[in-house]
Amino acid sequence: GAVVSQHPSRVICKSGTSVKIECRSLDFQATTMFWYRQFPKKSLMLMATSNEGSKATYEQGVEKDKFLINHASLTLSTLTVTSAHPEDSSFYICSASQGAGRGQPQHFGDGTRLSIL
Amino acid sequence: AQSVSQHNHHVILSEAASLELGCNYSYGGTVNLFWYVQYPGQHLQLLLKYFSGDPLVKGIKGFEAEFIKSKFSFNLRKPSVQWSDTAEYFCAVRKGNTPLVFGKGTRLSVIA
Repeated sequence: GAVVSQHPSRVICKSGTSVKIECRSLDFQATTMFWYRQFPKKSLMLMATSNEGSKATYEQGVEKDKFLINHASLTLSTLTVTSAHPEDSSFYICSASQGAGRGQPQHFGDGTRLSIL
Repeated sequence: AQSVSQHNHHVILSEAASLELGCNYSYGGTVNLFWYVQYPGQHLQLLLKYFSGDPLVKGIKGFEAEFIKSKFSFNLRKPSVQWSDTAEYFCAVRKGNTPLVFGKGTRLSVIA
């Protein structure tokens, strides 16, 4: 149980285009979803936390207009990288939780490798 | 700033060798501690976690970790590694209701 599906797994696109990444909880309701970014040889950096039906909370230094997060349902959150540039190339990972409480585990998707040419 | 440190970037071991991966955190107060593993091409999986109680935590696949509060450490151990343990290992810390904060990860390569 507790499967999180992330799509696409890999995307290559030209500079200036927008890219949407989907994160779905397949067998549970995810009231809270998290988006992380992983640079080579670096840790996973939290970008934002989203609760279903409300605006995402972005971490310091993350541009909310650049990385649009929508969490419209209990099973789906999307991250849209708008007007992507080569420096946005990275590995993006979502995770989902049934709540933000202490005992609620975070379940991770497989990640999306984004390459901007 | 609060942080999680994993001091070993890449560890190379022969099969049957013992493993210890270090993890230190800088948070004060009560924290929850986790170790995740990411096998090549797969998603992050929870190995083990500590919330309270016995500071020696047993996880899956023969892994264990010891929480030493005085040292702000949560080191991961395995007595005898196998080739299939080759993966990236991440230590993570959670304080209260905040999201997980990860260390930079340690790549483990086990050679025959």
